[in-house]
Amino acid sequence: GENVEQHPSTLSVQEGDSAVIKCTYSDSASNYFPWYKQELGKRPQLIIDIRSNVGEKKDQRIAVTLNKTAKHFSLHITETQPEDSAVYFCAATASGGSYIPTFGRGTSLIVHP
Amino acid sequence: GAVVSQHPSWVICKSGTSVKIECRSLDFQATTMFWYRQFPKQSLMLMATSNEGSKATYEQGVEKDKFLINHASLTLSTLTVTSAHPEDSSFYICSAREVGRSNQPQHFGDGTRLSIL
Repeated sequence: GENVEQHPSTLSVQEGDSAVIKCTYSDSASNYFPWYKQELGKRPQLIIDIRSNVGEKKDQRIAVTLNKTAKHFSLHITETQPEDSAVYFCAATASGGSYIPTFGRGTSLIVHP
Repeated sequence: GAVVSQHPSWVICKSGTSVKIECRSLDFQATTMFWYRQFPKQSLMLMATSNEGSKATYEQGVEKDKFLINHASLTLSTLTVTSAHPEDSSFYICSAREVGRSNQPQHFGDGTRLSIL
């Protein structure tokens, strides 16, 4: 089955700095990679996603890059703000079977004002 | 669009009680719903995949007689924690995926915080 590794587990940055979270996956059949943001006690919310036919996608301060050959994808947040503080999860979904996504362990991002 | 409603949001009950959690897709039909358990500061642990009209598929280590899942319609799945004990205390979250959109994002409910005394 799919295995998703996510690093770092904790990331502390100053407001205005950039933050990068990296994930690797094992199943070459995976072709859909969403990123979720979860604030304390709340639901995970999709913030950006990318498919395997695209190498990069950007939405304002958030971008995701995908390297299919190396089987890794990254979340980039620029000009971080305190409200970006949350836990971020990456996931990978293979095209076969039941399309069950496999989540990474999460990264706790802390943005200091 | 794509709203998932989960109830109740918080349950406190005595050991031995059975607790039912509902997950509804409000504005779309969901062939597949997922049930997760999340411990503090940890990732989402998939418990089972629920498909409308068929038996749920449980992940390894999850007791199907303990965690009963019913997905009787395209908009409702329920998770019943039977004879709950303190070790079942956790945050339970459901998610749903729209019919015909298999490789698309899931939409999560708000979660249910279960505390067993």
